[in-house]
Amino acid sequence: EAGVAQSPRYKIIEKRQSVAFWCNPISGHATLYWYQQILGQGPKLLIQFQNNGVVDDSQLPKDRFSAERLKGVDSTLKIQPAKLEDSAVYLCASSPSGQYQETQYFGPGTRLLVL
Amino acid sequence: AQSVTQLGSHVSVSEGALVLLRCNYSSSVPPYLFWYVQYPNQGLQLLLKYTSAATLVKGINGFEAEFKKSETSFHLTKPSAHMSDAAEYFCAVSRPGSNYKLTFGKGTLLTVNP
Repeated sequence: EAGVAQSPRYKIIEKRQSVAFWCNPISGHATLYWYQQILGQGPKLLIQFQNNGVVDDSQLPKDRFSAERLKGVDSTLKIQPAKLEDSAVYLCASSPSGQYQETQYFGPGTRLLVL
Repeated sequence: AQSVTQLGSHVSVSEGALVLLRCNYSSSVPPYLFWYVQYPNQGLQLLLKYTSAATLVKGINGFEAEFKKSETSFHLTKPSAHMSDAAEYFCAVSRPGSNYKLTFGKGTLLTVNP
């Protein structure tokens, strides 16, 4: 079974530029999560989707961050414009429906550096 | 609200020694608890989880953790450390009424000395 896929793996941009990250969850997983992991800290949830609907986006800085999950499969996270403090690893995770819905499976992450 | 505290941001052990990584949680309802491991430049891999069944949980790579409600703890142990165990370890908590949202601790970096 293929795992969670993310691209790109690394991205370097200058502040005020825009950037987008892509995530493809494990096949059949209904729930998709985006986390931000700043160096030296644990991951922090940005947004959670159930199929193509938003369940929780309370921690998403909506003035600059946006995310979508069209057709309930792939997802894109965008930052526009980026700030220096957005430098972090962006992790995508997915979880199944039913019996094991509490278990999240993580992708390799996208490492973003904002200069 | 829920939170996780990992005691010790860095733990160093000798190869073959006991590994003990500490995690305390706070939750208003019975929690689900997880340990994840992160190797350099990789995502998080699930080591083990507690979901209200047996309090002693066995995971991959010889790790286990014990849920102690009275101490609000979920410490991770391994009897004998291996060089390949060197990584960052994260404890996390979720609860069924919160859409299974994970709240992570700050992580503990484990180094294994030869």
